[in-house]
Amino acid sequence: ETGVTQTPRHLVMGMTNKKSLKCEQHLGHNAMYWYKQSAKKPLELMFVYNFKEQTENNSVPSRFSPECPNSSHLFLHLHTLQPEDSALYLCASSQDKGGGRRGYTFGSGTRLTVV
Amino acid sequence: DAKTTQPPSMDCAEGRAANLPCNHSTISGNEYVYWYRQIHSQGPQYIIHGLKNNETNEMASLIITEDRKSSTLILPHATLRDTAVYYCIAITGTASKLTFGTGTRLQVTL
Repeated sequence: ETGVTQTPRHLVMGMTNKKSLKCEQHLGHNAMYWYKQSAKKPLELMFVYNFKEQTENNSVPSRFSPECPNSSHLFLHLHTLQPEDSALYLCASSQDKGGGRRGYTFGSGTRLTVV
Repeated sequence: DAKTTQPPSMDCAEGRAANLPCNHSTISGNEYVYWYRQIHSQGPQYIIHGLKNNETNEMASLIITEDRKSSTLILPHATLRDTAVYYCIAITGTASKLTFGTGTRLQVTL
């Protein structure tokens, strides 16, 4: 257990469905991140939040919609996804947006399959 | 952030030291060297980081050359559970994002 909890661990959804991924941390961190890892590809940064404010959107399609209601929770809302969006979605947090002394703490990820 | 170069794969016998190299020849003075690892289908795990001096913690040691153009992560007694992809990343302390490359796939064998 890393201190960053992601739910669900696995998700299968149809292309017309709407679903949400949840990330929660109680490490007292102020920055949170969404990453995507497709098969045999490096991790790709999607979104950065610092003190609940989005500071970076890495050209992510609008079918992915993040939400950060407070510094402890981060959501990724999904709608009308494509099969190529199937991937491992990872949430991370850090003390501040620079990573801090202990770097980033990652959750175990949500394995998403779009059918 | 400076580009880092790592070998795509390495093997190590269990119980032996695993020495993972990383080149970061364009690293700037305010960039730290961070190491993470990712065990299959899990999130990356922070291992260690350093700026100029060698560092050691309960997981590993980090040796940074005097010119800071390269570094080596040392796992002193590798076990099968150390089989993972290891990422070396050069990043400033105030950077807003951690960017991963392809890393080194370390296979620890009996």
